[in-house]
Amino acid sequence: AQSVTQLDSHVSVSEGTPVLLRCNYSSSYSPSLFWYVQHPNKGLQLLLKYTSAATLVKGINGFEAEFKKSETSFHLTKPSAHMSDAAEYFCVVSGMDSSYKLIFGSGTRLLVRP
Amino acid sequence: NAGVTQTPKFRILKIGQSMTLQCAQDMNHNYMYWYRQDPGMGLKLIYYSVGAGITDKGEVPNGYNVSRSTTEDFPLRLELAAPSQTSVYFCASSYMSGTGAYEQYFGPGTRLTVT
Repeated sequence: AQSVTQLDSHVSVSEGTPVLLRCNYSSSYSPSLFWYVQHPNKGLQLLLKYTSAATLVKGINGFEAEFKKSETSFHLTKPSAHMSDAAEYFCVVSGMDSSYKLIFGSGTRLLVRP
Repeated sequence: NAGVTQTPKFRILKIGQSMTLQCAQDMNHNYMYWYRQDPGMGLKLIYYSVGAGITDKGEVPNGYNVSRSTTEDFPLRLELAAPSQTSVYFCASSYMSGTGAYEQYFGPGTRLTVT
């Protein structure tokens, strides 16, 4: 069965420093992978997606993620954090039997210190 | 496009009451979903629909019902509300993109409290 594990429940960085949010997935096939962001009291917004094309995926707001099949990882990075990046981030994998169903990680809360 | 809209934004229910959460999308997406998000947790799928007239259970369907009479609307019905249904509810819709992926578009959520 497919699953996704976000390795850190909270990450705290200083403004202007790099961001790394870690995600490992478990799947017996090549899934679609997504990162979504949720700002406080808001809905979820798609940051980026991987769909078996380029392994380095660029998203909105300067975020990118690299698909590493050998490590079953899909970590999210950004070179320089901004205060507006403070939010909850979800790593998501598509289902095997029904790729239109998504499986969500438990989320990583990113705190950005001034 | 308004995208995915949900009403109401907030609601307080007494135990045993019923209500319907409304969801509509104007993107002509075939697929629609209802999730619940409990504090500090990810999203759990309640019900989903692959098209008008077709619905199926997700991971946590107990205590809920859905219908899909049109492509645009996907209401979620809570019967006999219980405190365990206190949560934030998100509706989403999706389509199959050219890459074969189904990226989902989310509504702003309904915050429900059952007391």
